[in-house]
Amino acid sequence: DGGITQSPKYLFRKEGQNVTLSCEQNLNHDAMYWYRQDPGQGLRLIYYSQIVNDFQKGDIAEGYSVSREKKESFPLTVTSAQKNPTAFYLCASSIHIEAFFGQGTRLTVV
Amino acid sequence: EDQVTQSPEALRLQEGESSSLNCSYTVSGLRGLFWYRQDPGKGPEFLFTLYSAGEEKEKERLKATLTKKESFLHITAPKPEDSATYLCAVRGGGSNYKLTFGKGTLLTVNP
Repeated sequence: DGGITQSPKYLFRKEGQNVTLSCEQNLNHDAMYWYRQDPGQGLRLIYYSQIVNDFQKGDIAEGYSVSREKKESFPLTVTSAQKNPTAFYLCASSIHIEAFFGQGTRLTVV
Repeated sequence: EDQVTQSPEALRLQEGESSSLNCSYTVSGLRGLFWYRQDPGKGPEFLFTLYSAGEEKEKERLKATLTKKESFLHITAPKPEDSATYLCAVRGGGSNYKLTFGKGTLLTVNP
């Protein structure tokens, strides 16, 4: 099946630890994105990548890092510098202007 | 800066009671306006893209329309399975690949 796979679905992190969220797509899309969703707020863009080996900061990039070594993969690392990391993280991809989303990873800091 | 405002924040309907959700936007050079459906704990599901004022798209009980300042998502004779959060987003001409989202409308359809 073609689609966007995010893993894991649930993730627990201790304060002070870095954690990496996985996003893989087999849609042959060039662009990939990471969004963060908090209750009562719209989706906010963290990072996006238009092509392999290139990515740009979104509106809330502080405390996050990404890589784009392969077209299919766009992992997001939540670092210990992110002050409020508990949230629902969504990965998306697009080839034209519509974006298609994965099922999300819920990160909880314990 | 692109902005999207959705109203109402929440809407409760009886099964079969038609209504509309609103999405007001300001954007520099609209490239597309998008509607998504999101179920609890899931990622947004793409519904429609509208490109220019006057355009309409339909899917089952949903119909999306677009003017120069706002979009409406009309829901005709809704069923309980239509209950979800509906998200509106825009892509402007200056933002290349970025989508700007509204906060969504939580729709509940009671049987």
